[in-house]
Amino acid sequence: GAVVSQHPSWVICKSGTSVKIECRSLDFQATTMFWYRQFPKQSLMLMATSNEGSKATYEQGVEKDKFLINHASLTLSTLTVTSAHPEDSSFYICSSTGGTDTGELFFGEGSRLTVL
Amino acid sequence: QKEVEQDPGPLSVPEGAIVSLNCTYSNSAFQYFMWYRQYSRKGPELLMYTYSSGNKEDGRFTAQVDKSSKYISLFIRDSQPSDSATYLCAMSHDSNYQLIWGAGTKLIIKP
Repeated sequence: GAVVSQHPSWVICKSGTSVKIECRSLDFQATTMFWYRQFPKQSLMLMATSNEGSKATYEQGVEKDKFLINHASLTLSTLTVTSAHPEDSSFYICSSTGGTDTGELFFGEGSRLTVL
Repeated sequence: QKEVEQDPGPLSVPEGAIVSLNCTYSNSAFQYFMWYRQYSRKGPELLMYTYSSGNKEDGRFTAQVDKSSKYISLFIRDSQPSDSATYLCAMSHDSNYQLIWGAGTKLIIKP
C-alpha cells in the first residue's frame, strides 16, 4: 500500500508557541490530504481536508486561523498549531487516498502533541 | 444519537479464541465499510474494506456487513497477543472519503 510519513511522532511545547507537523507521501502524489485529531478513548475527528495548490477545507468548529494547513506540493502537507494551549494536546494524524480511487485511506504514524 | 456506535470495551479474551467486534449505524445511505487497527500511539491501518452487504475474508479476518440491520462485524480467528489493539470501524455513503468513525474497541488478547 501507499506510504504516508508523518513527523514528528511526538512533540512537547510551551503554551503560546506554535508547532508544525509534516505529512509526506513517499511513493505517490497526494493531491488531497486529510487531517484528523484524536483525543484519548475517542474516535478520529476530521479537522480539515487539504488540497494541493488551494486553500484547505475546514470542518465545522475547527478554527482555520489556529490550525494552519499548507499543501504546497504533491508530496507534502503541513499542519501548524498556532499559539498552542493545553487543550490542543492531542494525537494528530494525516491520511491520504494513496493515489487510488478505491475509497481506502492510508494513514501517517500520527503526532502526539503535549502543550504544557 | 451517534451515527456510528461501537462499544469501547475493553474486550479481553484468551489467546486462540474467536473475537467478534461490532458496530451499528443509523444512516442507511452508508455503502462503504472499513475496519482499521490502531496500535497504541500509532496511526490506524486499514484491515478490511467492503462495499455494500456481504462477507469478506482475508486470512484470519472476516468482515460482515448486514445493511438490513445496519450492523457490521469483524471476526478474528485464532487470536494472537499481537492482535491486541484498538479496532475502529468507519463508513461512508459515497466515495468522497468523508468517513464517519466509531469510537474504537480496545481488544486485549491474553497469552
